[in-house]
Amino acid sequence: DAEITQSPRHKITETGRQVTLACHQTWNHNNMFWYRQDLGHGLRLIHYSYGVQDTNKGEVSDGYSVSRSNTEDLPLTLESAASSQTSVYFCASSLGRGMGYEQYFGPGTRLTVT
Amino acid sequence: DQQVKQNSPSLSVQEGRISILNCDYTNSMFDYFLWYKKYPAEGPTFLISISSIKDKNEDGRFTVFLNKSAKHLSLHIVPSQPGDSAVYFCAASGTYGQNFVFGPGTRLSVLP
Repeated sequence: DAEITQSPRHKITETGRQVTLACHQTWNHNNMFWYRQDLGHGLRLIHYSYGVQDTNKGEVSDGYSVSRSNTEDLPLTLESAASSQTSVYFCASSLGRGMGYEQYFGPGTRLTVT
Repeated sequence: DQQVKQNSPSLSVQEGRISILNCDYTNSMFDYFLWYKKYPAEGPTFLISISSIKDKNEDGRFTVFLNKSAKHLSLHIVPSQPGDSAVYFCAASGTYGQNFVFGPGTRLSVLP
């Protein structure tokens, strides 16, 4: 069965370290997204990609970067982790954009920055 | 400023009764609205959607109502079941998926 996976599921890191969260989908979806979930804010968009070599900034992109070298993967990198980046991170993918194209989410990565 | 608001952080309902979750939005360019459900330690899953040309969409026990003039939508769950206990997120976007935004979520507890 097609799926979307995230790794690691839990990560503890220190302030200032570079961290990369992996996202892999086997649906062959063009579109991939990264969100963070924080209490009172719901899911906020960090970065998204509409295809290979395409990346775009979302609402809360400062301190994060992504690259899309193939259809299946969209790794999220925290260049220099900060305590404010402690959160649960969700990756999602969709076949198309807009009406009729819902996003499918991974199980999430809980990141703690100490 | 939040473009999609869910003003009730939590809601408790008795099993068998109706659950009504509300969502308000401010951006008049939104054309497509969705509800996602999230259990603890899992990713959100798509539940139901509605486009702005409709005012109601039904799928089994779940119905979404859209009042475009009031910029308000609601999700009705009838009858509510304990397995419906989860966080529900309202989301909205333009016709082609632009400006996709989630609300802060409402935690629904269905009491047996």
